[in-house]
Amino acid sequence: DARVTQTPRHKVTEMGQEVTMRCQPILGHNTVFWYRQTMMQGLELLAYFRNRAPLDDSGMPKDRFSAEMPDATLATLKIQPSEPRDSAVYFCASGWDLEQYFGPGTRLTVT
Amino acid sequence: GQQVMQIPQYQHVQEGEDFTTYCNSSTTLSNIQWYKQRPGGHPVFLIQLVKSGEVKKQKRLTFQFGEAKKNSSLHITATQTTDVGTYFCAGPKSNYQLIWGAGTKLIIKP
Repeated sequence: DARVTQTPRHKVTEMGQEVTMRCQPILGHNTVFWYRQTMMQGLELLAYFRNRAPLDDSGMPKDRFSAEMPDATLATLKIQPSEPRDSAVYFCASGWDLEQYFGPGTRLTVT
Repeated sequence: GQQVMQIPQYQHVQEGEDFTTYCNSSTTLSNIQWYKQRPGGHPVFLIQLVKSGEVKKQKRLTFQFGEAKKNSSLHITATQTTDVGTYFCAGPKSNYQLIWGAGTKLIIKP
């Protein structure tokens, strides 16, 4: 049963530190998405890739967030420097033709 | 801009009662998807509706897509504790991107 995996599952860090979140999409899927979920904002799309090419990252704070897909088995989301307002659950999802399969998420707490 | 509105935000029901969530789009959708997120979990794809007026059933869940393809609903008959969670609708914003409703949280009263 293929699944999207994400690491780490939980991360606690101090403000100003760099945070890197990793995602392994389901093999064969051609789109990868990064979402952020908070109680106040719901599900926000941060960035997405198709065939590893970034298509839209307009949802990301450009000065501190970056998303890359160095190969078909790895997508990364970096925050540098992190701030307390970045505390949220970050989901990666992969898919084919709009149907999306979510990973378990990384719960980030920035103190 | 394109919007997908979902109501209600919360619904409290007694176990065994029915539950319905409604999704309304500002634009005609080519399809609509429904996802379920359990507390502490991640969204899980439930179903995709494509045809105008389409009705699909999954056990106690009934999904409808409106004739104008601008609205959809999810109805759960005789809710159980396993139904607890947040139900999201989502429609295409582009070929590769979804626009999401804010979700309806189903809460079972103790």
